[in-house]
Amino acid sequence: DSGVTQTPKHLITATGQRVTLRCSPRSGDLSVYWYQQSLDQGLQFLIQYYNGEERAKGNILERFSAQQFPDLHSELNLSSLELGDSALYFCASSELAGVTGELFFGEGSRLTVL
Amino acid sequence: GENVEQHPSTLSVQEGDSAVIKCTYSDSASNYFPWYKQELGKRPQLIIDIRSNVGEKKDQRIAVTLNKTAKHFSLHITETQPEDSAVYFCAASKDTGTASKLTFGTGTRLQVTL
Repeated sequence: DSGVTQTPKHLITATGQRVTLRCSPRSGDLSVYWYQQSLDQGLQFLIQYYNGEERAKGNILERFSAQQFPDLHSELNLSSLELGDSALYFCASSELAGVTGELFFGEGSRLTVL
Repeated sequence: GENVEQHPSTLSVQEGDSAVIKCTYSDSASNYFPWYKQELGKRPQLIIDIRSNVGEKKDQRIAVTLNKTAKHFSLHITETQPEDSAVYFCAASKDTGTASKLTFGTGTRLQVTL
């Protein structure tokens, strides 16, 4: 158990819909990262937050947005869903803003868009 | 941005043999290079990492080498065991201390056969 909690574990929805994925980081970790894992793309970095502030951005689509709340949990919002958004979405956390050690990954949220 | 290429995409070795996975990165400013192991249906977990001021690091049967000039780093697993079967991801990051965008390779599926 990494200490990072992600909900829901599985989600099935239709094209055009909007979903919210939630992540609670390890106790004491201030930095949260979101990654998308699809079969042929490996782990794609989406976005990083540190103590509520956006710190780094990857190839995150405009239809996707994220935020980190004062209690440090984070949410990833995916809207106008397309079939190609089906993937495993991982949240990870670390203590610091820079990666000076291990990223602790959650178990992931598997999104299926039909 | 950073681009990480990883080879091979699949690797099959016999138990007891060595396995080598190679990665190249594009951004000469990258200074942190972790390796993650992802077992089937599980979250990625850090197995070893190396920083740009070090050329080699070893941890029991696992070693990583870094050639900054060639922008190349490799994972070496000796005396492979069936439990080493997993997908391995290399990654590279430019850790500024205030933000980090860890870019992953596309993964290598290692199969250790009896």
